[in-house]
Amino acid sequence: NAGVMQNPRHLVRRRGQEARLRCSPMKGHSHVYWYRQLPEEGLKFMVYLQKENIIDESGMPKERFSAEFPKEGPSILRIQQVVRGDSAAYFCASSLTGYNEQFFGPGTRLTVL
Amino acid sequence: GENVEQHPSTLSVQEGDSAVIKCTYSDSASNYFPWYKQELGKGPQLIIDIRSNVGEKKDQRIAVTLNKTAKHFSLHITETQPEDSAVYFCAARSNTGFQKLVFGTGTRLLVSP
Repeated sequence: NAGVMQNPRHLVRRRGQEARLRCSPMKGHSHVYWYRQLPEEGLKFMVYLQKENIIDESGMPKERFSAEFPKEGPSILRIQQVVRGDSAAYFCASSLTGYNEQFFGPGTRLTVL
Repeated sequence: GENVEQHPSTLSVQEGDSAVIKCTYSDSASNYFPWYKQELGKGPQLIIDIRSNVGEKKDQRIAVTLNKTAKHFSLHITETQPEDSAVYFCAARSNTGFQKLVFGTGTRLLVSP
């Protein structure tokens, strides 16, 4: 009965590199949400996906950030040409439907040098 | 859009005392209010939630109350224990548009033995 899984747990990138964050939802869940948490702050919504579809990306920066949730495999949050301001904890949550509880993974802590 | 405010930002209590954390929301269309507990280095863990058709919900030492008219909801923890020490986040979800959670800024609870 695995929960939401995220990898890697820690990721270090130099400015200008790409970061790829992966999220496997709970078994049976087809709704995935990505949130970002800056140090000492609350969680901010980034994007909501259902299998193969982006439902709401209103919280995602327009440039350098993209997300996908393919038919097979985990959801991917991709950050191109990372900058120091991208350093944060990125959390993925999943739910059974869009109206059910959201369960969070352990997060990926991204550090940009 | 929705805005959630949370108070206090820090709360120190003695073991066995009660702790109360309060949140207010701005969007009258919000109808779902979860509370999450986050321990250091971990992802948020759902501890209790309430929907707008209910005024109060209890689960052992934890209770949540909702006042729709005043647009505020509160978390009550009785007989606090040192293992309750963590950061607690409230959140709200609107029934219009999409299913993102809007989080408060968190309350750091410290329970001293």
